[in-house]
Amino acid sequence: SAVISQKPSRDICQRGTSLTIQCQVDSQVTMMFWYRQQPGQSLTLIATANQGSEATYESGFVIDKFPISRPNLTFSTLTVSNMSPEDSSIYLCSVLGENQPQHFGDGTRLSIL
Amino acid sequence: GQQVMQIPQYQHVQEGEDFTTYCNSSTTLSNIQWYKQRPGGHPVFLIQLVKSGEVKKQKRLTFQFGEAKKNSSLHITATQTTDVGTYFCAGSSNDYKLSFGAGTTVTVRA
Repeated sequence: SAVISQKPSRDICQRGTSLTIQCQVDSQVTMMFWYRQQPGQSLTLIATANQGSEATYESGFVIDKFPISRPNLTFSTLTVSNMSPEDSSIYLCSVLGENQPQHFGDGTRLSIL
Repeated sequence: GQQVMQIPQYQHVQEGEDFTTYCNSSTTLSNIQWYKQRPGGHPVFLIQLVKSGEVKKQKRLTFQFGEAKKNSSLHITATQTTDVGTYFCAGSSNDYKLSFGAGTTVTVRA
């Protein structure tokens, strides 16, 4: 399976600031996704990162809050904008390759003070 | 959209005993996947089930996909301390997006 590098692995941020999370894959993949896992909760899909076009957001998530880029088939970024304590979560990217199941990066553990 | 329900939320198991976690979907799935997340870790892929009635085994883990492709189960025999973690099922329709169950968090009494 593809090797997924996600960074930063963790960060502590001040409210009102923004943080960009990067996801790099070592091979071309068909699809890339971003998930959020709030403390003690399951994973919720934020959006599908589309190569060269705007991401497809799930209900409850908007581009202004979570802008996503995917300039090529192996790289994507998620920005968490104007952060508040409620944004404290683990953010995970996942990738789907040809005839491969979905695999996750190590995640970014984000705390907002 | 589809919803995936998973029970139980917590499972406290005596080492050596068996347990099962169950998932049910509100809609028919194209496939279902199972992941394990250790404390402080990220979800790690365990298995994917695609066919109606499919059964797959990985050592002490047995995964089943229901005939109607709306439910699934994970059965672990002779639980060990290494089985500690949260097990998630995640269902997918044809759009490849995963809907995760709430997870079953397993603790083991030695």
